[in-house]
Amino acid sequence: QKEVEQNSGPLSVPEGAIASLNCTYSDRGSQSFFWYRQYSGKSPELIMFIYSNGDKEDGRFTAQLNKASQYVSLLIRDSQPSDSATYLCAVGDSGYSTLTFGKGTMLLVSP
Amino acid sequence: DAGVIQSPRHEVTEMGQEVTLRCKPISGHDYLFWYRQTMMRGLELLIYFNNNVPIDDSGMPEDRFSAKMPNASFSTLKIQPSEPRDSAVYFCATSGRGYNEQFFGPGTRLTVL
Repeated sequence: QKEVEQNSGPLSVPEGAIASLNCTYSDRGSQSFFWYRQYSGKSPELIMFIYSNGDKEDGRFTAQLNKASQYVSLLIRDSQPSDSATYLCAVGDSGYSTLTFGKGTMLLVSP
Repeated sequence: DAGVIQSPRHEVTEMGQEVTLRCKPISGHDYLFWYRQTMMRGLELLIYFNNNVPIDDSGMPEDRFSAKMPNASFSTLKIQPSEPRDSAVYFCATSGRGYNEQFFGPGTRLTVL
């Protein structure tokens, strides 16, 4: 059974701070990793993906992957109240077809 | 370019009734996924299709659930008979061949009384 674990939170950070969201996964054969943002009452929205070990930056977002430790993280710099949402970590199977989702971490950014 | 389209957006029905949820994928995407989301269980994959063919339905809870994809532009998820424990948000998502990036529709919030 493939598992993706996230701290449910909420993670509370002040506006302008760095938010750090973490995720671990059980399947060593996983090759692709995704972060989705889900606002309350809305659908998940893809914000980042990473395939290789290391860091990948996109604007205020940085995804980090360490396959040896089976660990993925998402850093949000200069956090804004509009970043308040639930962040879902998803891990792709080795066949590049399905995703296994964590239950998400709720982020609260206070003004 | 339209995203994934789902209908209805909200459905309230009584126990025992048949419910049909609909999805129109993004044009050119040949993978289609049906998920269910609840607070307790999170986002669960129910079934997925590749080129209109069901590939894995091991996530379908029981025989009351069925899904079809008669063509590349349309899929349905049917629950018959519905039960209160089926109350959840049901999402359809699609992706292109060879890529894991999935794009979600707005979801259908189902309430079974």
